Parts: sequence; structure tokens; C-alpha cells
Amino acid sequence: QQQVKQSPQSLIVQKGGISIINCAYENTAFDYFPWYQQFPGKGPALLIAIRPDVSEKKEGRFTISFNKSAKQFSLHIMDSQPGDSATYFCAASIAPNYQLIWGAGTKLIIKP
Amino acid sequence: DVKVTQSSRYLVKRTGEKVFLECVQDMDHENMFWYRQDPGLGLRLIYFSYDVKMKEKGDIPEGYSVSREKKERFSLILESASTNQTSMYLCASTQGTGAEQYFGPGTRLTVT
Repeated sequence: QQQVKQSPQSLIVQKGGISIINCAYENTAFDYFPWYQQFPGKGPALLIAIRPDVSEKKEGRFTISFNKSAKQFSLHIMDSQPGDSATYFCAASIAPNYQLIWGAGTKLIIKP
Repeated sequence: DVKVTQSSRYLVKRTGEKVFLECVQDMDHENMFWYRQDPGLGLRLIYFSYDVKMKEKGDIPEGYSVSREKKERFSLILESASTNQTSMYLCASTQGTGAEQYFGPGTRLTVT
């Protein structure tokens, strides 16, 4: 019940296309859902996060869609660019300690 | 800017050696974490600490120990390194009630 399942494991998208990464969870107590981006040789960095009281959050080309009833959330990258090539992790946690439960990661490659 | 630094980027050790990985953060964060990252497995929590001299086991503490003598420094110790501990090790920190985790660049440890 503590797992977060992430798919796909890898994804290749053409420049300008939409990249979509999906995550599913079981624990309905989760109340914070972040996405982290990791470039080679770097640690993960927070990209965007959502709480379950909203269904969508947008920051620039990055959007989280959240479906509480289906217990799923997804990351959409619009107009994908080669600089977006990275590994993306979804995660979930519960206040107040925010200990994160991580998805397995998606390696995204944007082809020029 | 929050900065989390790790003592080494790359480390090669022999089986049976005692290994120390050090992490330092400069933002006076209460919470610090050690993860290991393996392909297809995401980030798995080894140990975390909510305060100086406090430590809690994560999901995979076997074969590891930690030390937190000062607030800014959190050390991971491999008592007797084994080849299955070859991995990328990531340190992270957060404020007391803050959700965002700030990561160091990672230490890639190879045990031969």
C-alpha cells in the first residue's frame, strides 16, 4: 500500500511533442505528490508538486494532472525540448514528516 | 541557495572495507536523508535523521549505519562493504515541516 508505481520506464519523444509520464498509488492518506527531475551527474531536483485538493497544476510547459478517484497522477511536458532529456521521478508523501515514497523513475529522451 | 555537498563523487573500495560517505548541508535543515539509487528501483531510503544524534531506519538499513553529531553533517557508514552495495548514494535535506527535499550530487560507489 506504500508503493508508487511509475510508467513507462523509458520514453522517447520527438522535439516539440508531448511527453507523458504516469504514476499510480494505493494509499489514500498521501497528500503531497511531487515530481523530481534528475540530470546525469546531478541529484534530483523538485520540478513541480500538487496536493489532492486540485486536479491540475501548471508551471510553464510542465503540468501535473491529478485524478483522486483513480489514484493516479501524471506529468505532461508540452513542446518537449532536448534540454528536457532527464530521468523523472514521481513521489508521494504524508504530512507532517513528508517522508517520500518514490516511483522507479522514467528516463526521457527528446530527439531533436 | 540551498547547498548539499557530498564528500566524494566517485569511490572505489574493496570488499570488507569500512566506508564513510559524508554529507553537509548549509541551510540549517533539521531533516537529513540517505538514499541509494539503482536503475529500475528508484530511490530507496536507507536512514534518516530528524535532529542531531537522532536516527531512524528507512526501508533498507541492513549493512549500513549513520552518524549525526552536528546538525549540518550526516554520515553514512558501510561497516563491511560488499559488492551488492555498489550503487549511487544520494544525500538530501529538508526544513522541519518543509516538503521539498534538496539533494547532493551523489556518490557513485563501486565495491570490488
